[in-house]
Amino acid sequence: EAGVAQSPRYKIIEKRQSVAFWCNPISGHATLYWYQQILGQGPKLLIQFQNNGVVDDSQLPKDRFSAERLKGVDSTLKIQPAKLEDSAVYLCASSLAGLAGAGDEQFFGPGTRLTVL
Amino acid sequence: GEDVEQSLFLSVREGDSSVINCTYTDSSSTYLYWYKQEPGAGLQLLTYIFSNMDMKQDQRLTVLLNKKDKHLSLRIADTQTGDSAIYFCAGPGAGSYQLTFGKGTKLSVIP
Repeated sequence: EAGVAQSPRYKIIEKRQSVAFWCNPISGHATLYWYQQILGQGPKLLIQFQNNGVVDDSQLPKDRFSAERLKGVDSTLKIQPAKLEDSAVYLCASSLAGLAGAGDEQFFGPGTRLTVL
Repeated sequence: GEDVEQSLFLSVREGDSSVINCTYTDSSSTYLYWYKQEPGAGLQLLTYIFSNMDMKQDQRLTVLLNKKDKHLSLRIADTQTGDSAIYFCAGPGAGSYQLTFGKGTKLSVIP
């Protein structure tokens, strides 16, 4: 079974530039998550999709971050314009049903390491 | 919502046992998880425990849950150099459909 795919693996940009990350979840997984992992921290949820609808985006900085999941499969996370504090690893994860409270396992991709100069 | 705390570093000798500790705040947490992150990689689920259990064993891994103290631990028996990684404790967050992660414990195994 193929895992969660993410690209690019690394990205270096200057502040105020734009950047986009792509994620392809495991086939058949209805739920897709984007996490931000700052160095030395645990992953923080940015947005959760169920199929192509947003379940929770309460921690997404909507003035600069946007995400979409067209057709309920692939997803793109965009930052425009980037700030220095956006330097982090952006992790995509997927799960069958999106119920962490019921033991629904999340499968993580390798992440995209973003450096903002 | 859930708050999860972990110690940041642990160093053990190869062959010894490692114990990684975690405390959480949400007493209604139903499942608690341990994830492993190797350098440059995403997180991998190691094991999880349901809240009606006190202990779960899976090969070299033993999870202990003390619900009264809201304390979770992961014991790795016969620790190997390949176990060197960051270990995250996680519990369900708001609405039980999210995960709240601790900051992670970096385990270093000395040959």
